[in-house]
Amino acid sequence: EAQVTQNPRYLITVTGKKLTVTCSQNMNHEYMSWYRQDPGLGLRQIYYSMNVEVTDKGDVPEGYKVSRKEKRNFPLILESPSPNQTSLYFCASRYTGDGPGTEAFFGQGTRLTVV
Amino acid sequence: QKEVEQNSGPLSVPEGAIASLNCTYSDRGSQSFFWYRQYSGKSPELIMFIYSNGDKEDGRFTAQLNKASQYVSLLIRDSQPSDSATYLCAVKTSYDKVIFGPGTSLSVIP
Repeated sequence: EAQVTQNPRYLITVTGKKLTVTCSQNMNHEYMSWYRQDPGLGLRQIYYSMNVEVTDKGDVPEGYKVSRKEKRNFPLILESPSPNQTSLYFCASRYTGDGPGTEAFFGQGTRLTVV
Repeated sequence: QKEVEQNSGPLSVPEGAIASLNCTYSDRGSQSFFWYRQYSGKSPELIMFIYSNGDKEDGRFTAQLNKASQYVSLLIRDSQPSDSATYLCAVKTSYDKVIFGPGTSLSVIP
């Protein structure tokens, strides 16, 4: 089954304690990205990756890191989480280019609370 | 001007009516357009993809694209309470970035 798998689904942590949210896809997609979603602000892109070892900042990258060492995995790292990073996070992947079959597939989401 | 805009909600329609959701975009070179449905706390799921000007129908859903006007819409016929969700318009820009609109919340009243 084609899917994007995020872990954990729920996480409560304390300010300053480093954490990693994992994301893995089994569709051989080149493109992967991370979004956060906050009430009234829609989906905002944090980081994206066009392929292995190629990453770039999205619209709200401050306080986050990513890596793309393998095509299927794209972890999101919060080195020193702060309460303003409390949010619902989604990982997504897709093929690059245009046309049918290029839609984004989303993970189940990770609800992060930083206290 | 925001890159992708959607009609502000929330939108309420009675059960069985047609719900009309609208989206405009700024990048004239955009080629691919998507409608996603998102239930509260869940991940977005694709319901329609449209690439060519005109209409595309899939069951109760019809997507309409007008590239000259930079406008894409989604019609939901015979709306059901289970259609109550937030609908996200997404546009693949000419620089291969997918931009999501802010979403329109739809409520179908039994």
